Amino acid sequence: SQWGEENLQALSIQEGEDVTMNCSYKTYTTVVHWYRQDSGRGPALIILIRSNEREKRSGRLRATLDTSSQSSSLSITAAQCEDTAVYFCARASGGNYKPTFGKGTSLVVHP
Amino acid sequence: DMKVTQMPRYLIKRMGENVLLECGQDMSHETMYWYRQDPGLGLQLIYISYDVDSNSEGDIPKGYRVSRKKREHFSLILDSAKTNQTSVYFCASSFQGANTGQLYFGEGSKLTVL
Repeated sequence: SQWGEENLQALSIQEGEDVTMNCSYKTYTTVVHWYRQDSGRGPALIILIRSNEREKRSGRLRATLDTSSQSSSLSITAAQCEDTAVYFCARASGGNYKPTFGKGTSLVVHP
Repeated sequence: DMKVTQMPRYLIKRMGENVLLECGQDMSHETMYWYRQDPGLGLQLIYISYDVDSNSEGDIPKGYRVSRKKREHFSLILDSAKTNQTSVYFCASSFQGANTGQLYFGEGSKLTVL
């Protein structure tokens, strides 16, 4: 999972498989952002989930936020080759809500 | 048009030279950010700006300074660049803070310090 001292995660799956990425955090978080970054591009938001939402969906994407276990997950259903990217979670932290990013999960979807 | 524009996209400098990275946004966002991205380390916050002349250090501000004289423009300055500042730098903006909405990122500025 991302955050903490974990290194960049790498996942390799076949097209059509489901995949889940996880983030865990140690301090209270009001919102978790999930971004994807394509090679050579800047990150782009794919889902934003708030502490009053346990689950949020967008097409084949599903994000969860569990405030009791202080964790968030991003699932992709029936992954496609175009889902190949690096996925980052980010949380708003501190009194001035400075966003902190995880180290990312590199996902490769093979045809 | 909801765009964050970074200039230059690629830059090569010698150690000890000064570096200016510029960022503009057309969304009238109050908050702007500078991050650096190194392989395997994710995005590390250098500075955050809450509005004109209202800047705050991020997690790794040492060796950097910023300037924000107009809401739509945020600059990152490296005085006397060091080789360990070789990285890809991303600018981002958001309407208010990250607790209220998403960050919009530019395409990045790749800096090489020789």
